[in-house]
Amino acid sequence: EVQLVQSGAEVRKPGESLKISCKDSGYRFDSDWIGWVRQRPGQGLEWMGIIYPGDSDTRYSPSFEGQVTISADKSVSTAYLQWSSLKASDTAMYYCARREHTVKYDAFDIWGQGTLVTVSS
Amino acid sequence: IQLTQSPSLLSASVGDRVIITCRASQGISSYLAWYQQKPGKAPKLLIYAASTLQSGVPSRFSGSGSGTEFTLTISSLQAEDVATYYCQQLNSYPHSFGGGSKVEIK
Repeated sequence: EVQLVQSGAEVRKPGESLKISCKDSGYRFDSDWIGWVRQRPGQGLEWMGIIYPGDSDTRYSPSFEGQVTISADKSVSTAYLQWSSLKASDTAMYYCARREHTVKYDAFDIWGQGTLVTVSS
Repeated sequence: IQLTQSPSLLSASVGDRVIITCRASQGISSYLAWYQQKPGKAPKLLIYAASTLQSGVPSRFSGSGSGTEFTLTISSLQAEDVATYYCQQLNSYPHSFGGGSKVEIK
């Protein structure tokens, strides 16, 4: 059974950097798209971006381009989301999700458990 | 592509038929998925390709539509269906989500 296991909750101060992770327990990490989704407290889901670890093809939402970096390490089947300078407004739950993408199927079918990031002085 | 869901809040009785609408700002063919999110949990895929039920999802859930207008129907609302429901388009990047529709029991 494929699972996405995310790293634990983080507390940081504004201006600090952070990298959170999402480990794929499946056997085809480099042929799956892995996306990241933000959910601020009490708010809806926001699509941030997605990476194809096979060739590192990465797409960002314009809302997040330049604000975060999405990367992946095939050797450990792990995707990452990182910030170089956090803001209080980055406080949110962050989910990774696998995009199953075939001719007849396109959706985020597997989700990680979420990583809560709190940014506070 | 903007996705507008309605209603944003819905209160219904157990056994009621519930319909949630998702409208896209431009045509997205059938590249639409529906998710259910219960409080404190990650979202769960219910429907993909606008109308195909994900394996293991109860048959009281169904989806329809294509182009710009889509619906998610719960044929007979159950207590365990209390959740927020989101649509997502996968026609073009960014794969945006709708604002969500919260379903409560009356």
